[in-house]
Amino acid sequence: NAGVTQTPKFQVLKTGQSMTLQCAQDMNHNSMYWYRQDPGMGLRLIYYSASEGTTDKGEVPNGYNVSRLNKREFSLRLESAAPSQTSVYFCAHGRTSGDLLLGEQYFGPGTRLTVT
Amino acid sequence: GNSVTQMEGPVTLSEEAFLTINCTYTATGYPSLFWYVQYPGEGLQLLLKATKADDKGSNKGFEATYRKETTSFHLEKGSVQVSDSAVYFCALYAGGTSYGKLTFGQGTILTVHP
Repeated sequence: NAGVTQTPKFQVLKTGQSMTLQCAQDMNHNSMYWYRQDPGMGLRLIYYSASEGTTDKGEVPNGYNVSRLNKREFSLRLESAAPSQTSVYFCAHGRTSGDLLLGEQYFGPGTRLTVT
Repeated sequence: GNSVTQMEGPVTLSEEAFLTINCTYTATGYPSLFWYVQYPGEGLQLLLKATKADDKGSNKGFEATYRKETTSFHLEKGSVQVSDSAVYFCALYAGGTSYGKLTFGQGTILTVHP
């Protein structure tokens, strides 16, 4: 599982509900990422964290918040879910030095979210 | 900005057929290039990578060569198997101020029939 645990695996929400997606990695990497995957659009970066205590916006941050709780954990929160947030969400991690990626990114199994 | 364009799918092949999935990119500088594979119900996993021009990445019978002159990184396999059915993503890492961020293509669905 590439050293990544994501919970839950599946979730159905009603419009306006909130939820938090959890991610934890056990490879001691400093950088972590949240992506969403939509048909025909590949993966798009929502937020990333280059180190514990820092987070920054990616390509599609609107409607989301994140918390880098410690080096292992990086959570994604939807405060008021919308149908446009129906997607598959992937957490990833990688080793970086400064702003350079060393090696590859490792991906979790994903959370399939449906907002009705 | 950086971008990756993959050939549109889905691609359907018979077992033992030759596979090519085209990937071209736009980036400043000298990016690293990756192919990731996603099997049904799973996350992405790295298939192969190349970090500089003319490098060839290879794994599990798949190959891709980093061609700077054509800004391409096409994925090939000489004889596909049913177990190769998956979604394939081309991606680039532009370095510099990216903090490890990857830019992905839209993905190509491959289905291999017996």
